[in-house]
Amino acid sequence: QLQLQESGSGLVKPSQTLSLTCAVSGGSISSGGYSWSWIRQPPGKGLEWIGYIYHSGSTYYNPSLKSRVTISVDMSKNQFSLRLSSVTAADTAVYYCARGGIFGVVHWGQGTLVTVSS
Amino acid sequence: DIQMTQSPSTLSASVGDRVTITCRASQSISNWLAWYQQKPGKAPKLLIYKASSLETGVPSRFSGSASGTEFTLTISSLQPDDFATYYCQQYNSYWTFGQGTKVEIK
Repeated sequence: QLQLQESGSGLVKPSQTLSLTCAVSGGSISSGGYSWSWIRQPPGKGLEWIGYIYHSGSTYYNPSLKSRVTISVDMSKNQFSLRLSSVTAADTAVYYCARGGIFGVVHWGQGTLVTVSS
Repeated sequence: DIQMTQSPSTLSASVGDRVTITCRASQSISNWLAWYQQKPGKAPKLLIYKASSLETGVPSRFSGSASGTEFTLTISSLQPDDFATYYCQQYNSYWTFGQGTKVEIK
């Protein structure tokens, strides 16, 4: 059973960089055919796709966040990461990692709340 | 960018009601559309993929359909466990989620 688990700082100061990691177990990131994705959800609001990475290292980002987002993968640790720079209060959200494919997004992490505040 | 317009934003219904939620894509997405159910404090759960395919384990009262760029999620007989928020998602070109529909108890 594939499992994903987010980890990282839950509190980030404005203008700093948010960093999260998603550890994958029960399956390998290096197996093809899937995107490894980050999605966020501000409190009380809807879902927003941030971006995804393939095992090849190819990345695709939401145009509205592209200038601030970096997603990377570490095959040796079977994990992928998110960096979001120059954060503001508007970046406060629950951040989910997930695995996507032609059958939609079956596997999600439990989500982690990141608050941007001084 | 592909935009997804989901309606209604809120829906009040009773147990046993037939419920319909609609998503319209701003351009063709070739039926690469999924529907999710989300309950408070939980990650979304996949219900339907490729517009009309039922995910394994999802009750058959959930169904999806497509007509051009308009997509529909139908719950044939609303059950107490179905009160939640529902999202559509296109995954034809990157990803875009609809704004969500909260199904409330009438």
